[in-house]
Amino acid sequence: AQSVTQLGSHVSVSEGALVLLRCNYSSSVPPYLFWYVQYPNQGLQLLLKYTTGATLVKGINGFEAEFKKSETSFHLTKPSAHMSDAAEYFCAVSDLQSTLTFGKGTMLLVSP
Amino acid sequence: SQTIHQWPATLVQPVGSPLSLECTVEGTSNPNLYWYRQAAGRGLQLLFYSVGIGQISSEVPQNLSASRPQDRQFILSSKKLLLSDSGFYLCAWSVRTYEQYFGPGTRLTVT
Repeated sequence: AQSVTQLGSHVSVSEGALVLLRCNYSSSVPPYLFWYVQYPNQGLQLLLKYTTGATLVKGINGFEAEFKKSETSFHLTKPSAHMSDAAEYFCAVSDLQSTLTFGKGTMLLVSP
Repeated sequence: SQTIHQWPATLVQPVGSPLSLECTVEGTSNPNLYWYRQAAGRGLQLLFYSVGIGQISSEVPQNLSASRPQDRQFILSSKKLLLSDSGFYLCAWSVRTYEQYFGPGTRLTVT
């Protein structure tokens, strides 16, 4: 069975500061990993994904994530936070069958 | 390109009333379809998924049901709503690459 742990239900940063959202997973198969963003009262939007190949993946809005098998991690980063990045972020792992397992989400707060 | 629609966008229903939420996908064939619920502070809960017409898998026992009458249509229903059914309902689709694409959601308030 798969599981996802997102450390910190809330993360606060200042505008222009580094964003780091943590995600650790467990999986019985080589994982496919995803990050989604959700703005208030909207659906989830895919930010980026790791399937195979390069372990550093780049996504939309300047975000990137690195798959580290030895650490079972897939942390999301952005060098410089913008006010528009304030949202909830979800990490997810695929069971390679039909479903995704989502973490509980991390709310990113950006202060001016 | 693919698009996913959900309606209604918002809904206020009394306890004990029926429910029907609809989700349709355009621009793809034979997608997997999913219903999720987000209750305040509780993350995403997978309710149902379907890999084909008439094939429904239920992830949690509840007073909700799902149906897939057409390839790209997914319906979430209830005969009698409970207060605990309030939440934000999201429909999603996927194909072979496993990432899921979400609709805009329906905000349901049961009063």
